[in-house]
Amino acid sequence: AQSVAQPEDQVNVAEGNPLTVKCTYSVSGNPYLFWYVQYPNRGLQFLLKYITGDNLVKGSYGFEAEFNKSQTSFHLKKPSALVSDSALYFCAVRDGDNDMRFGAGTRLTVKP
Amino acid sequence: DAGVTQSPTHLIKTRGQQVTLRCSPKSGHDTVSWYQQALGQGPQFIFQYYEEEERQRGNFPDRFSGHQFPNYSSELNVNALLLGDSALYLCASTLNRVEAFFGQGTRLTVV
Repeated sequence: AQSVAQPEDQVNVAEGNPLTVKCTYSVSGNPYLFWYVQYPNRGLQFLLKYITGDNLVKGSYGFEAEFNKSQTSFHLKKPSALVSDSALYFCAVRDGDNDMRFGAGTRLTVKP
Repeated sequence: DAGVTQSPTHLIKTRGQQVTLRCSPKSGHDTVSWYQQALGQGPQFIFQYYEEEERQRGNFPDRFSGHQFPNYSSELNVNALLLGDSALYLCASTLNRVEAFFGQGTRLTVV
């Protein structure tokens, strides 16, 4: 069975500082990994994905994520946070033919 | 490209009633998945439709059923509504089962 864990319910950072939102996963095969962002009363917006290849994946709005197979992690990062990055972030995993499974989400708050 | 569209955006139903939610996938996408997102939680997979058939199903009771039409649009039906069915229902479409594109969701409130 596939699963995702986001160990932090809340992450607070100051504007201009780097941010990291953590994600670990469990799958039986090779994982497809995703990050999505959700703004209030909206659907999920795709940020980036890892399918294969380079472990560092670059996505939308300056976000990137690093795939670490040995630690089964896929942490989301951004070098310099913006107040507008404040939102709910979801990590998701898909294993082979299975559909995506999401973590519980991490609320990111960027303070001016 | 209109992206994934869902209707209605909001809905209020009474316990015991039935509801139908609709989804039009992103142009060119042939696979539709439905998710339930309760307040403060991550989306939970309900089921996925491909070629008008249910291909996968999550841990949801038979009260939840769906349909996919030849134009790839989809419906989610929930019978005998319970208070606990109150949630944001998200539709997502994919092509070749890579990243999913989500609609804005339908907020269902059961009273």
